[in-house]
Formats: sequence, C-alpha cells, structure tokens
Amino acid sequence: EVQLLESGGGLVQPGGSLRLSCAASGFTFSSYAMTWVRQAPGKGLEWVSAISGSGDSTSYADSVKGRSTISRDNSRNTLFLQMNSLRAEDTAIYYCAKDPGDSIWYFDYWGQGTLVTVSS
Amino acid sequence: DIQMTQSPSTLSASIGDRVTITCRASQSISSWLAWYQQKPGKAPRLLIYKASSLESGVPSRFSGSGSGTEFTLTISSLQPDDFATYYCQQYNSYSRTFGQGTKVEIK
Repeated sequence: EVQLLESGGGLVQPGGSLRLSCAASGFTFSSYAMTWVRQAPGKGLEWVSAISGSGDSTSYADSVKGRSTISRDNSRNTLFLQMNSLRAEDTAIYYCAKDPGDSIWYFDYWGQGTLVTVSS
Repeated sequence: DIQMTQSPSTLSASIGDRVTITCRASQSISSWLAWYQQKPGKAPRLLIYKASSLESGVPSRFSGSGSGTEFTLTISSLQPDDFATYYCQQYNSYSRTFGQGTKVEIK
C-alpha cells in the first residue's frame, strides 16, 4: 500500500525557514517523480515544486522560485522541501504527491498534508 | 503560464442528478488533463487522467471528455459521497496548474 507521510510543518516567523519532509513507502521510491502541492486556508490547490525520480531534474512555481529547494534521498525514501524567506502568503497545507511514473506530472497518491503557518 | 478556468464555481444538485463541470485551458494542452475530488479536511483524490481515463477504483459514474482547450467532468448520477470540491489540473507545461475548483453542494 502506497503511503506518504509529511512532517516538518509548524509556526514560523516571516523571513524564517522550514524544511518539510515526506516519508514514502509501498512503492519503489526512486522510480517515481514527486511533487509538492499547497493549499492556502479556504483556497484552491497550487503546484509548488517537482523532482524527477533520480533527482536530476527539478522545477518550481514562480511563487517559490529562488526561495525553495526540492530534494530527495532515495536511500531513505524521503522527499524534502527547504523553504526560506517565508512570507505570510506561504501559509498553507503542503501536500506531497506521487507521480504515476517518472515525470508524467499528474498525481495518483497524496499524503495527508502538513500545515505551515507564517506569522509573527 | 497556462491558466485553467473551471465553471461553475459552485453547483447545487440533488441525488441522482447528472452533473457536468467544465474546465477551459488558456491554450491547447492536448489531452494532458487530470481531475481530482477533494473533501473537507482530506487530501485530493485522482479521478480521471489523460482527459478521459478513469483511475482504478473510481466509480464508473465519473467520466471525462475533451481535448485541446475544453474539458468536462461528468457524474452520471450524483451520489451522497460525491458532494465535494472538484479540481482540474493540466500537465502539458512546466507549470502544472490547477483550476480554481468547483464545489458540488446538496440542493
């Protein structure tokens, strides 16, 4: 059974940093691209960042480009999102999501999400 | 960036109704479109991919159609479990954008 478990969210001050993690199980992690999607309170879904199965290829939404770094540790089956210079508008639930292959870019499994709140 | 526009934003319907949600892309995305269902407090669930392919385990009352810039999600006979918010998502371009969502409410 595919499982994705996010962690690392919390309350952070504007300008601060946070590292989100997503522990994956139930599939061959390195064979699948992974993505972060966020959802601000009461709002819709926003694609944030994606990484290929090998980790060689990454992409970012303009809203986080230059402030965030996606990475993965295939030996630990874990996806990461390092977020710096956080702003109030980064407040959201952050979901990790699995690609059905490597770099197809829709999402067949989602984690339960981790809440990031940026506030002073 | 490709913009995705869903209509309507909210839809009121009764059990057994046929429901159709439209998603329009700002430029052609071929058939690279997925649909998701999201219930309050839960993660999204994949329903349809490649515009019309039903994800395994999804009831056959859900169907998708369209190509290019106009797409539809149809629920043939609305069931109590279907009251939720639905999102389309294009995966044709670098930025994988979502529509703003359509909330299906009980009439």
